[in-house]
Amino acid sequence: KAGVTQTPRYLIKTRGQQVTLSCSPISGHRSVSWYQQTPGQGLQFLFEYFSETQRNKGNFPGRFSGRQFSNSRSEMNVSTLELGDSALYLCASSLGTEGSAYFGPGTRLTVT
Amino acid sequence: AQSVTQLGSHVSVSEGALVLLRCNYSSSVPPYLFWYVQYPNQGLQLLLKYTTGATLVKGINGFEAEFKKSETSFHLTKPSAHMSDAAEYFCAVSEGRTGNQFYFGTGTSLTVIP
Repeated sequence: KAGVTQTPRYLIKTRGQQVTLSCSPISGHRSVSWYQQTPGQGLQFLFEYFSETQRNKGNFPGRFSGRQFSNSRSEMNVSTLELGDSALYLCASSLGTEGSAYFGPGTRLTVT
Repeated sequence: AQSVTQLGSHVSVSEGALVLLRCNYSSSVPPYLFWYVQYPNQGLQLLLKYTTGATLVKGINGFEAEFKKSETSFHLTKPSAHMSDAAEYFCAVSEGRTGNQFYFGTGTSLTVIP
């Protein structure tokens, strides 16, 4: 069974731009969660989508948004990028009911 | 509210020695508890989890953890460290039943000395 895939793996953007990251969950998984990982703040929960609906949301500004498609693939968008948005963005997929989450390799975003 | 505290941001052990990584949690509901490992430039890999039932859980690569409700702990152990165990380890808690919102600890970097 293929694992969680994230594209692109690396991204360099300029302040003020916007970016879209993509996540394809494990086949059959209906839940996709997004996390931001930085050296200073660690792993922080952004949001979770389940069957195309946002089920949980972390404490991030509205510049961070996401969506999930009918095939469970998810995208995360960050608008008006700031230097502090530089991070590893991790996507996790799960069945949505039994707790275990399986993480993708992440997208390394650098904002200059 | 849920939170996780990992004691010791850096742990060093000799190859073949016991590995003990500490995790304490706070949860207002019966928690689901997890340990993940992260190798450089990679995502997180699930080592083991506790949801309900037996409090001693065994995971991959010889790791195990014991859920102790009275101590609100979920420490990770491995009897004999291997060089390949060198990585960053994260303890996490979630409510599980209402979604997959994980609260992670700050991580423990494990160094294995040959």
